[in-house]
This record gives sequence, structure tokens and C-alpha cells, in this order.
Amino acid sequence: ILNVEQSPQSLHVQEGDSTNFTCSFPSSNFYALHWYRWETAKSPEALFVMTLNGDEKKKGRISATLNTKEGYSYLYIKGSQPEDSATYLCASRDNYGQNFVFGPGTRLSVLP
Amino acid sequence: NAGVTQTPKFRVLKTGQSMTLLCAQDMNHEYMYWYRQDPGMGLRLIHYSVGEGTTAKGEVPDGYNVSRLKKQNFLLGLESAAPSQTSVYFCASSYGVNSNQPQHFGDGTRLSIL
Repeated sequence: ILNVEQSPQSLHVQEGDSTNFTCSFPSSNFYALHWYRWETAKSPEALFVMTLNGDEKKKGRISATLNTKEGYSYLYIKGSQPEDSATYLCASRDNYGQNFVFGPGTRLSVLP
Repeated sequence: NAGVTQTPKFRVLKTGQSMTLLCAQDMNHEYMYWYRQDPGMGLRLIHYSVGEGTTAKGEVPDGYNVSRLKKQNFLLGLESAAPSQTSVYFCASSYGVNSNQPQHFGDGTRLSIL
């Protein structure tokens, strides 16, 4: 089973701060990576689908980059707001697997 | 458009009881999944289905059974519930793993086994 790791496990930032966190996955036979945002008491919602090395995706103040050669993806949040507080999940799949494997998530708290 | 709907939302069972969790999607997705979410462990795949009439084991299938008699429905069964199965269960669906489209999740079922 693919091993997908995320760091840090949790993060507290002040409103207005910019922040980033990491998703690590095996670089061999990479197929695709997904990022999800998961608010408390809600279901995970997709943020980005990333497939190519060097991919950069952006949605408002949130952006993500992908490095498939070294096996990591960064998620950046610029000017964090309290409504950004959520758990951010990544999920990766390789060419041999039928399913995406989820990381344990990074729990972000933005303090007003 | 309801997306992915899970029923029930909450349930408390006694050890040894059985129950079925229902997942329904109205997006004509081929793939459906059942996950469990436990503190500090993220989402772990229990069983999945790549189409009507097919099912396959995921990472943690023991103690669970599934059925996909209709394309839009994916049922998760616990034949004899155990306290270790206390968890939050999420159903998800997608067009197909090769399409690279993300998964769409239901709101979860919180299950407690006493």
C-alpha cells in the first residue's frame, strides 16, 4: 500500500499570516495527486487535481505545487482567514494501484 | 443535485448487532468507496466498487461486507458489530480512477458500538 505522509500534523496561525504544508508520496510510478479541504462537521471537498511534475494550481488565496521527481506537494495559503480553518488532506495514486491513498491530514487553525 | 447521500447520520449499536449503511449518488459515477475515519489515521479504505455488480477489498475490509446491486447505491454491512468498529464512515464516488477526477464525499455516518 502506498505511504502518503503529511506535515505538520497540526498548525496554528494568526489571521493574515501566510502558511504552507507538505504532502509526501513515493515518487516512483506516480500517477496523480489530489488535495481536499475538510471542514469540521462537513465532508471533504476537492481543491486540486495534480498530475504533471511542476504543476501549479491556484484557487483564490490557496495554491499548490507538485514535484513528482522528489515526491512532494506543497499547499500554500496566503493571508489566512478564520474560514480557512480546516483539515487539509492529500491523496496519491501510482500507476499500479486502483485507488488513491489518503494522508493523515494537516489540521489548520487560523486565530482571529 | 443531491450528490452523495449517506443514511443514517448517527447510530448506536450494541456489540453483536448488525446493520447496513446506505450510500446513494446521483452523478452516474462508476466508482464508489467506503472509508472509515479514526483520530490521527485519516481516511482508510474499507471496500470499493468499480461498477454495478462489482466489489473489492480495500485496506481494512475485515468485519464488513458490501454490495452494489444498482449503480447509484453502495451498501456497507456490519454482520456482528464490535467496539473496534466505532468510527465515522464516509462514502465517496468518482467517475473512475483513470479519469483523474476527484472523489465526491457524503456527510458521514457516526457509528458507536457499545
